[in-house]
Amino acid sequence: ETTVTQSPASLSVATGEKVTIRCITSTDIDDDMNWYQQKPGEPPKLLISEGNTLRPGVPSRFSSSGYGTDFVFTIENTLSEDVADYYCLQSDNMPYTFGGGTKLEIK
Amino acid sequence: QVQLQQSGAELVKPGASVKMSCKAFGYTFTTYPIEWMKQNHGKSLEWIGNFHPYNDDTKYNEKFKGKAKLTVEKSSSTVYLELSRLTSDDSAVYYCARGGLRQGFAYWGQGTLVTVSA
Repeated sequence: ETTVTQSPASLSVATGEKVTIRCITSTDIDDDMNWYQQKPGEPPKLLISEGNTLRPGVPSRFSSSGYGTDFVFTIENTLSEDVADYYCLQSDNMPYTFGGGTKLEIK
Repeated sequence: QVQLQQSGAELVKPGASVKMSCKAFGYTFTTYPIEWMKQNHGKSLEWIGNFHPYNDDTKYNEKFKGKAKLTVEKSSSTVYLELSRLTSDDSAVYYCARGGLRQGFAYWGQGTLVTVSA
């Protein structure tokens, strides 16, 4: 099973600042990493799918990079509406596994 | 448009079973697998398993073998998740999502809250 270690667990930034979240996998997963945003009471929303592919309709301030075992998710110019939990998911091998999540707050 | 509609919240007693549904709309049901996830309150997500309606192929996370069972009713484009021998550890929100190669899990149901309590 591939373990996904996500950091940080939480962060607080001012609007306009840059957010960086990292996921490290215990096995090489090529580029099969996905990134989700979840707001309270809602299901996760896919922002970026495998191959660092921004999903249709997702603002370009969201991006990701990485290949193999080290992956980074970035929000440029963070807005107040970006307050949420963020999760990474490896879809390279079953069981698919999620990172532990990052809680983003705005100062 | 693509939608996944899940059944309503359940309150069940310890030791009982529960069966919840995920009904797909807006696409050809047999083209994509349906994935199931568990989310404990305030926690991250766990992948339970998936069911591919094209060939009835079913995969389970080893952790949920013996606990979860996936079935299908193709006539109504619905996949079911049944959980057995429920304990308080099974209290969670359960989500279905549409899977597929290089698709991420792009479409999610609204979730089914299961509460196990005497």
